[in-house]
Amino acid sequence: GAGVSQSPRYKVAKRGQDVALRCDPISGHVSLFWYQQALGQGPEFLTYFQNEAQLDKSGLPSDRFFAERPEGSVSTLKIQRTQQEDSAVYLCASSPTNRDLDSPLHFGNGTRLTVT
Amino acid sequence: AQTVTQSQPEMSVQEAETVTLSCTYDTSESNYYLFWYKQPPSRQMILVIRQEAYKQQNATENRFSVNFQKAAKSFSLKISDSQLGDTAMYFCASRGYTGTASKLTFGTGTRLQVTL
Repeated sequence: GAGVSQSPRYKVAKRGQDVALRCDPISGHVSLFWYQQALGQGPEFLTYFQNEAQLDKSGLPSDRFFAERPEGSVSTLKIQRTQQEDSAVYLCASSPTNRDLDSPLHFGNGTRLTVT
Repeated sequence: AQTVTQSQPEMSVQEAETVTLSCTYDTSESNYYLFWYKQPPSRQMILVIRQEAYKQQNATENRFSVNFQKAAKSFSLKISDSQLGDTAMYFCASRGYTGTASKLTFGTGTRLQVTL
C-alpha cells in the first residue's frame, strides 16, 4: 500500500485479556517505531526495529508489552494481561533508513485501545 | 536525552489571521532536527515543517514558518493566513541519535482551533 497501515483501528479489551496490534509499514522501509499516545498527551516512544532486529525497547512500560518483526516487514505489538492504564492510541511509524535524521517518519492512523 | 516542552495547551485564531505556537527543547546531541507535526482527528501524524539544527536560516513551507533560536533552544511555529483545515493538534518534536535509534521525542501538544 501507499502508506503505513495499522489494524485494528479500534480495540476494546476487558482487563486481563491479551491483545495484538498489527503494523504494515511502507514496503522496503528499514526502520519501524512504535509509540504510545495517552489521551491528551504527545506520543511516547516504545520500541524500535531495524529490519528484524529490535534494537531499542527502552520505552516498553512493562514486561507485559512485547513487540516483534520476524521478517523485517510487518510488526506486531502484543500486550498481555491488559490493564486500564494501557488504554491509549498506539502509533506505528516507518522510515526508509535510520542514519539520516531528516529521513521522514511515515505514521499510520494508529490503533485506539480501550481497556474496560 | 531529549525533552520537548509546549506550554500552550490550547490556542484559538480567526480564519485568515496569524498564530504562533511555542516550543522549547533540550538536547545533549550536537546534531539534531526539529519538527512540527499536525495531528487531525484521523490521528495520523502529518509532517508540517522541519529544521536542521546546523542551519541558521529559518525553514518555511508555504503558510508555515519557524523561528529557530538555537541559543535559547526555542522553536516556534508561525501559521499565516490560518484556514479552517488547520484545526488540529500540533506537536513539536526533536530527533537526534540516541544509542542505536534516531527516535522522535514529542512535546505534549497544542490544540489549535481556527474559527470563522
